[in-house]
Amino acid sequence: DTAVSQTPKYLVTQMGNDKSIKCEQNLGHDTMYWYKQDSKKFLKIMFSYNNKELIINETVPNRFSPKSPDKAHLNLHINSLELGDSAVYFCASSQPTQGSEQYFGPGTRLTVT
Amino acid sequence: EDQVTQSPEALRLQEGESSSLNCSYTVSGLRGLFWYRQDPGKGPEFLFTLYSAGEEKEKERLKATLTKKESFLHITAPKPEDSATYLCAVRATDSWGKLQFGAGTQVVVTP
Repeated sequence: DTAVSQTPKYLVTQMGNDKSIKCEQNLGHDTMYWYKQDSKKFLKIMFSYNNKELIINETVPNRFSPKSPDKAHLNLHINSLELGDSAVYFCASSQPTQGSEQYFGPGTRLTVT
Repeated sequence: EDQVTQSPEALRLQEGESSSLNCSYTVSGLRGLFWYRQDPGKGPEFLFTLYSAGEEKEKERLKATLTKKESFLHITAPKPEDSATYLCAVRATDSWGKLQFGAGTQVVVTP
């Protein structure tokens, strides 16, 4: 009964390829997020969706495109992968009310060679 | 711009040796300050939310406190299983759920 799940856990690919990461939550939350954690372990928000609507879109290359088919799922598609995209990507979810804590998935380690 | 600074970067403790981690923040209006624990290879695990200065929360050997400029995470009589990276994050009133994270404090507790 995993709360926030991500697939795949590991992703190794070559530069220039296109890849997707999937996220699902069974907490009944309306809001979902994508974060990137770089090699220095710094977590930075990328996107947020509330009830399938994009509400946060940080300064992220447009090669990154999130998609939310329903409020329990948020996927991340990355086109033309670059070496600098190597990182751990975390999905999270929360209720939309102010101050609500976010619950994180286990992460997807992306390595671009 | 909102900023979160955590210190120290790393902390090595003997089992039973209590200590405190610091999280200094600058935010336009605080909607919440969050503490998370992250184990290697895993996602951040929620610990506490603090909303206003003077608030305190406790969970087992951990106690979080909040002032208008900083938060402390006190670890009392730590055990080796408390070894982890502790992350602090703030949510501003003008954000839509956006958490601004600090770089974390890596805590190692030796037997």
